[in-house]
Amino acid sequence: GDSVTQTEGLVTLTEGLPVMLNCTYQTIYSNPFLFWYVQHLNESPRLLLKSFTDNKRTEHQGFHATLHKSSSSFHLQKSSAQLSDSALYYCALSDRDTNAYKVIFGKGTHLHVLP
Amino acid sequence: DPKIIQKPKYLVAVTGSEKILICEQYLGHNAMYWYRQSAKKPLEFMFSYSYQKLMDNQTASSRFQPQSSKKNHLDLQITALKPDDSATYFCASSQDKDWGEQYFGPGTRLTVL
Repeated sequence: GDSVTQTEGLVTLTEGLPVMLNCTYQTIYSNPFLFWYVQHLNESPRLLLKSFTDNKRTEHQGFHATLHKSSSSFHLQKSSAQLSDSALYYCALSDRDTNAYKVIFGKGTHLHVLP
Repeated sequence: DPKIIQKPKYLVAVTGSEKILICEQYLGHNAMYWYRQSAKKPLEFMFSYSYQKLMDNQTASSRFQPQSSKKNHLDLQITALKPDDSATYFCASSQDKDWGEQYFGPGTRLTVL
């Protein structure tokens, strides 16, 4: 079945260092749509990035990701982490073509940025 | 003004009881969803609706029943509550054809004693 695999558990890094959270997926969808959602403590998930275009970088709020269909990956990156980036990040997958009305979320990666 | 309203924000229930979680969205979306989040399962898709029609159900238990009285309403009825049902329940919505771009409500935190 379809699935999303993310960097497991907790990623801890120091402010100012680069961020990379891995996301790979498996799907039968011919036209996958990939997303990153961010959830800060005591808040609800919020869409951060989205892409369905192969090999095109998408950016928002300092974060960027590129969908690589050849490797089924959509890694989240940021050049310099900030304390406010500490949150739970979900990679998610849906399909642009079928009427699936379903989004498959990964298990989430906690990012903890230290001063 | 909040675009997605969930009521109540906090809910405490006893085992075996029944509760209804309320969700209303004012984004003009045609698709609505329910998710559950707990320490054991970070974010778990439960149901999706489009134009008040059930599109997908990933909840094995019939104790969870969504109810849509209007296009912008999707309530969740939970019967015979168990302590394992304790979680935060998020309602979300999207444009009909952009189901991946979902907007989440603030959630209802349910505790079953």
